[in-house]
Amino acid sequence: QSALTQPASVSGSPGQSITISCTGTSSDVGGYNYVSWHQQHPGKVPQLMIYDVSYRPSGVSNRFSGSKSGNTASLTISGLQAEDEADYYCSSYTTRSTYVFGTGTKVTVL
Amino acid sequence: EVQLVESGGGLVQPGGSLRLSCGVSGFTSSRDAMSWVRQAPGKGLEWVSAISSGSGSSTYYADSVKGRFTISRDNSKNTLYLQMNSLRAEDTAVYYCANHRRWYFDLWGRGTLVTVSS
Repeated sequence: QSALTQPASVSGSPGQSITISCTGTSSDVGGYNYVSWHQQHPGKVPQLMIYDVSYRPSGVSNRFSGSKSGNTASLTISGLQAEDEADYYCSSYTTRSTYVFGTGTKVTVL
Repeated sequence: EVQLVESGGGLVQPGGSLRLSCGVSGFTSSRDAMSWVRQAPGKGLEWVSAISSGSGSSTYYADSVKGRFTISRDNSKNTLYLQMNSLRAEDTAVYYCANHRRWYFDLWGRGTLVTVSS
């Protein structure tokens, strides 16, 4: 049950687009379209941003989008804003009927 | 208001036990599967355990806690539990309960801190 691999940090200027990758295996990310993304501000509870690879929950800005190719999922934030500065975690359902989170990515708005 | 509220955290010695509770309000907890997720200080999220909807007849565990932790639910009390035995220093973390909607976590509690130290 190794954690999914994410870059430790990604940064961008306001208004730019950034993409966070999440790499797993055929037993998790590549095996199902059950990848989700959570945003976590310091000291706060994780908040669901994307589910089932590319679906946004009600209330989440359309600046957030998700995709997947093979064993790698991606989260793109377009029109980067100061409030997007946070930690982001991907997660996936696995073939063992368990879940696995990514290592986490700190997004910095320059 | 729909919410999850964890309780039962605290300081425990290595080798000790603790039972966490997660009270559900605003909806019927038996409707969905539920999980425990933890986050060590300054670290990332780690899925710990899940229990199926309804009677909770199916349970699942991370390798790191298998054989030491037991998840259960009491639908009459709308409450989720995590019995933690043989605790280790590396179990120190904030423990969140999370409600599932299909295969993702759509609602999280605020968490309860468990500290394992002598």
